[in-house]
Amino acid sequence: GNSVTQMEGPVTLSEEAFLTINCTYTATGYPSLFWYVQYPGEGLQLLLKATKADDKGSNKGFEATYRKETTSFHLEKGSVQVSDSAVYFCALNRAAGNKLTFGGGTRVLVKP
Amino acid sequence: DAEITQSPRHKITETGRQVTLACHQTWNHNNMFWYRQDLGHGLRLIHYSYGVQDTNKGEVSDGYSVSRSNTEDLPLTLESAASSQTSVYFCASSEGGSGNTIYFGEGSWLTVV
Repeated sequence: GNSVTQMEGPVTLSEEAFLTINCTYTATGYPSLFWYVQYPGEGLQLLLKATKADDKGSNKGFEATYRKETTSFHLEKGSVQVSDSAVYFCALNRAAGNKLTFGGGTRVLVKP
Repeated sequence: DAEITQSPRHKITETGRQVTLACHQTWNHNNMFWYRQDLGHGLRLIHYSYGVQDTNKGEVSDGYSVSRSNTEDLPLTLESAASSQTSVYFCASSEGGSGNTIYFGEGSWLTVV
């Protein structure tokens, strides 16, 4: 079946540091890939997505590239801010009907 | 603006009681979902619906039920609450198709004592 594996947190960084969160997946065919972000006390918000191999999703300074050869969708940001402190979820959608399979989430804490 | 709302946002209930969590969306989306979020497990799918009168079981459906009598609402019912069902519950909706964005509600924190 489908599965998503992402690095465990928490990840603690200083402001302006470089952030990478690794995400790999297992799925048949060509899934769509997503990164969702959850700020404290809130629901999940779509951060970015990619629907086919080699696509790059980007939003709010975050980027992720759909790598079919390594079945990966790593999230990166060049200079994090305190406001980026949140839990980040990698997810895929393979089945018809738009059901998401999530990774376990990675908590990121950015310190001033 | 269109939105998805959940109620109650916080609830404490006793073991064995029936509990219903409401979910209402104003996007006119056909697809609606219920997930639970637990530490170390990410989000897991409980039930989902592709339209009125359609309901389907997800990976953790035992002890839960849903009904879809209109497009806007998908209430989640815990028939007899158990401590293992203490969790944060998220409702979500989307248009059909595998690449479409799924929109989440703000969550319902449920504690079963």
